[in-house]
Order: sequence, then C-alpha cells, then structure tokens
Amino acid sequence: AQSVTQPDIHITVSEGASLELRCNYSYGATPYLFWYVQSPGQGLQLLLKYFSGDTLVQGIKGFEAEFKRSQSSFNLRKPSVHWSDAAEYFCAVGFYSNSGYALNFGKGTSLLVT
Amino acid sequence: EAQVTQNPRYLITVTGKKLTVTCSQNMNHEYMSWYRQDPGLGLRQIYYSMNVEVTDKGDVPEGYKVSRKEKRNFPLILESPSPNQTSLYFCASSSYRGVGEQYFGPGTRLTVT
Repeated sequence: AQSVTQPDIHITVSEGASLELRCNYSYGATPYLFWYVQSPGQGLQLLLKYFSGDTLVQGIKGFEAEFKRSQSSFNLRKPSVHWSDAAEYFCAVGFYSNSGYALNFGKGTSLLVT
Repeated sequence: EAQVTQNPRYLITVTGKKLTVTCSQNMNHEYMSWYRQDPGLGLRQIYYSMNVEVTDKGDVPEGYKVSRKEKRNFPLILESPSPNQTSLYFCASSSYRGVGEQYFGPGTRLTVT
C-alpha cells in the first residue's frame, strides 16, 4: 500500500540555522510529491511540488526539496530558518489508483524555532 | 480571489444530531476532497470527487456522506455524529484530476459531545 513517512515528529532548530525535514514514501512508481505547511490555526499552504524533471525543486519562502528516486525520499530544506517558519510541515504523495486520484499525507513534523 | 470556503468554521453538537459542513470553491476545479486532521495522525482523506456526480471513498469514510451535484460545492454530511468524529476538517480542491496544487479551505473544527 502507498504510504508516506515523516520520521521526525518534532524538530527544534535555532534561528539562522539550516533545516532538513525528512520524507520517505512507498509507491510502485514515481508519484506526485508535495510539501505543505500549516501555521497554527491556519489551513494548509503548498510550499512546493515535484512531478517530473529536475529533481531539485524550489518553493516559496526560500524552501527547496530534492527528489531521490533511489532512496524514495523527498526531503525539504532551508538554508537559514526564520522564527516565522515555526509551523507543522506535511509531506504528501499523490497517485492514481483504480478508483481515481488520491493524496496521502504524512503525519507531519512540528518545527520549533528558538 | 481564488478560494475554498467552508462553513461553519466552528461547530459544537451532540451525538446523533445530523449536520452538514459546506464547502465551496470558485476556481472551477474538477477535483474536490475532504480530510480530517487529528493529532499524531496527520491528514486522512474521507471522500473525494473527481467531478460532478463522481465521488469515491478515501481512507476513513465510515460515518460520512458526500454529494457533488454542482461543480463548485462538495458538502460533507454526518448523518449521526459520534464523539470519535470530533476533529478538524478540511476541504480542498484542485484542477483536472487533482494533479497539481490542492487549495485548502480554512478548516472546520467540529466537537461532538
């Protein structure tokens, strides 16, 4: 079955430090990959997405992610974290099944910036 | 402004009292979906719709119904709510077949006592 794993439930980084949030997926083919951010009390906002092509994708707010097929990973990175980046981050995988299209989310990683 | 709206934003109800959470989008999107978000579980898909009159179950459809009579609206119906349906609910929409960015509504926080 398709699944998305975010191994880190909580991560704490200092302001100005670099950030990497991990995401691994299980799927038979290359799925569509997304990272969303949810600020406290807010809905979800798309940070970036990968469908095909260049495996390093740039997103909003200075985030980037790299698709590594061999590792089934799509890790999110930011070179210098700002206090406003404190939020919940969700990796998601989109795929087609017999019944249509579905989007599976990881359980999220909560980022605290000190 | 392109947006997904949900109503109500907050709802407290009692077990067994039927309720409907509305969802509407103004982007002419074919694909719409409902998710519930629970602590430690992330977002789980309840139902989705590929187009008008086309709906299908997601991962956690038990206790919910949906309908898609118009392209812009995708209401979520709880015929007999139970306390385990206390959750934060999100509606989302996207263009053709759901591929691409899903636009999320602001969320509906439901409490069933």
